[in-house]
Amino acid sequence: RKEVEQDPGPFNVPEGATVAFNCTYSNSASQSFFWYRQDCRKEPKLLMSVYSSGNEDGRFTAQLNRASQYISLLIRDSKLSDSATYLCVVTSNTGNQFYFGTGTSLTVIP
Amino acid sequence: EAEVAQSPRYKITEKSQAVAFWCDPISGHATLYWYRQILGQGPELLVQFQDESVVDDSQLPKDRFSAERLKGVDSTLKIQPAELGDSAMYLCASRLTGSGTEAFFGQGTRLTVV
Repeated sequence: RKEVEQDPGPFNVPEGATVAFNCTYSNSASQSFFWYRQDCRKEPKLLMSVYSSGNEDGRFTAQLNRASQYISLLIRDSKLSDSATYLCVVTSNTGNQFYFGTGTSLTVIP
Repeated sequence: EAEVAQSPRYKITEKSQAVAFWCDPISGHATLYWYRQILGQGPELLVQFQDESVVDDSQLPKDRFSAERLKGVDSTLKIQPAELGDSAMYLCASRLTGSGTEAFFGQGTRLTVV
């Protein structure tokens, strides 16, 4: 069983739409959680960490549900520049190993 | 801003040849990772170093892949012999050791085996 499962999409949404991505993880003792963004043929870059209480950064909201072992990312008021692949990342129980989901492709359409 | 440096950016090699990739992590980052990313998939961990020691190489195909980080700073990943299925992006990442710290990625080496 994979450490992280993520719906690959693709998601094609109009500008201004709200879109949500989810991923599930298998290790209940996973320590840390992140969302990374990856533009086409570029390296992944940290979008935001995910905290137990949930956290928000502008139009982006991340949630963690430890009981159900999933994390989510909500993007409000989508912009064309949000078009990218969004990778969820879960660490091991020690926090040292990073496991990536397959990524969810988002295209925001004018 | 400090960056993870990787070279080369692109590499084309014939199958059965040897190929090597280099990574220089952000200064002070004790943890270094090598990932392989096939188009349309997420990065898959190949090997993880803590300083000069390998802490996880369970997914490294050891019959053809090797990695080293002799002085605990920069690292080399080698493939010998290369196979067609090795065509992928090879990403190096580094991070400070500690709970909750993010991993920073280099720009990657895109390998094409022909």
